[in-house]
Amino acid sequence: GAVVSQHPSWVICKSGTSVKIECRSLDFQATTMFWYRQFPKQSLMLMATSNEGSKATYEQGVEKDKFLINHASLTLSTLTVTSAHPEDSSFYICSAPSTRTSLRDTQYFGPGTRLTVL
Amino acid sequence: SQQGEEDPQALSIQEGENATMNCSYKTSINNLQWYRQNSGRGLVHLILIRSNEREKHSGRLRVTLDTSKKSSSLLITASRAADTASYYCATDDTGGFKTIFGAGTRLFVKA
Repeated sequence: GAVVSQHPSWVICKSGTSVKIECRSLDFQATTMFWYRQFPKQSLMLMATSNEGSKATYEQGVEKDKFLINHASLTLSTLTVTSAHPEDSSFYICSAPSTRTSLRDTQYFGPGTRLTVL
Repeated sequence: SQQGEEDPQALSIQEGENATMNCSYKTSINNLQWYRQNSGRGLVHLILIRSNEREKHSGRLRVTLDTSKKSSSLLITASRAADTASYYCATDDTGGFKTIFGAGTRLFVKA
C-alpha cells in the first residue's frame, strides 16, 4: 500500500529555534497534504491543508507565520515551526489522500514527528 | 470545535469481553473511518464506512453508521489485551478532502 514518511521522527530543540519537519509520499503523488497536531492524551487537530504550487490553507486559530508550510513538489510538504517555544511541543502528523480513483477515500498517514522544545 | 464527540472517553474491560465505542459528528459526510493509535505512535486505519452504508464488518470489528443521527459505533468483539489503545473516528466532509477526528476513546483491556 501507499506509504507516507516523515522526517525526523523526533526532534529536541532549544526555545527560539526553528524546526523543519518533512512529509513525503513515497510511491504516489500528493497535490494535497494535511498537517495535524496532537497534544498528549488528546486527539488530532487539523492545522492546515498543504497545496502543491499554492499557499497553504490554515484552520482557525493556527498562526500561519509561526507554522510555515511549503509544498514544493508532488511528493514533499514541509512544516517549519518558527521560533519554537515549549508550548509547541507536540506530536505532528501529516497525511495525504490517495489520488487513485479506486482509493480516493483513503488517507495515508505518516508515522508522526515528536517535537520537544526545551 | 473541529471534533465530534466520542463516548466513552475511557473504557476498561476484561479480556474476552466486547467493547463498544460511539462517535457523533457535526457535518454531512462522504465517509467515516475508525483509526487506532497505540500510545505515542502513529495511526492505524481500521475500517472505512461510506455514507450510503449502514454496517460493515472486518474480522472482530463491526461498525455501524446512522447518518440521520450523525453517529457511528465501533464494536470490538472478544477483546484482547493487545487491543489496548486509543480509538478515533474520523470524518471526511462533503466539502472536500478534510479529515476531522473525534475526541477519541481510550480502551484498556485487562488480561
